[in-house]
Amino acid sequence: QKEVEQNSGPLSVPEGAIASLNCTYSDRGSQSFFWYRQYSGKSPELIMSIYSNGDKEDGRFTAQLNKASQYVSLLIRDSQPSDSATYLCAVISQDTGRRALTFGSGTRLQVQP
Amino acid sequence: GAGVSQSPSNKVTEKGKDVELRCDPISGHTALYWYRQSLGQGLEFLIYFQGNSAPDKSGLPSDRFSAERTGGSVSTLTIQRTQQEDSAVYLCASSLYRGSGNTIYFGEGSWLTVV
Repeated sequence: QKEVEQNSGPLSVPEGAIASLNCTYSDRGSQSFFWYRQYSGKSPELIMSIYSNGDKEDGRFTAQLNKASQYVSLLIRDSQPSDSATYLCAVISQDTGRRALTFGSGTRLQVQP
Repeated sequence: GAGVSQSPSNKVTEKGKDVELRCDPISGHTALYWYRQSLGQGLEFLIYFQGNSAPDKSGLPSDRFSAERTGGSVSTLTIQRTQQEDSAVYLCASSLYRGSGNTIYFGEGSWLTVV
């Protein structure tokens, strides 16, 4: 089982819709969760971080964390064509003792104008 | 500097040659990471440095790969006897270590092509 799993997509949504991106992780002791956006040919950039169960909102983005279900999601409201990118879920796993992020393989989002 | 700086940005090398990739982290950041990303793939962890602690080398794919960090700042990733499967973008990142709350910032990457 991969440590961090994401559906590779592509996830296609029309402009203005809500895009929902999902991620599951295997280490129940994980404490820190991140969403990165990566445009083609570019390096990842941090969108959201979340550490506690529940929702965290920042502009059009909402991160949701459910530690009991080992599930973290990212909602993008009013999706724009400029949101088309690969979204990477990342976790700091306590089991390995490693402080580096473990990434999922990413979900490719396409927002159709 | 303002961000994580990596060099070279692009490198084409012949199979069997050694390459060195350099990373200059954000000033004051004590944690430094190397990741590798093959075309269309996710990020693969390679190595992690934190202050003066022994580095976490658990992600290095073979003994042809090594990395060092001098003076707690600049890091060099060395790949010996390069193979075609080493072709990828090598991403360096740094963070101001705050336990579980650290935010990691990436450089633009070094694109390596082995021919």
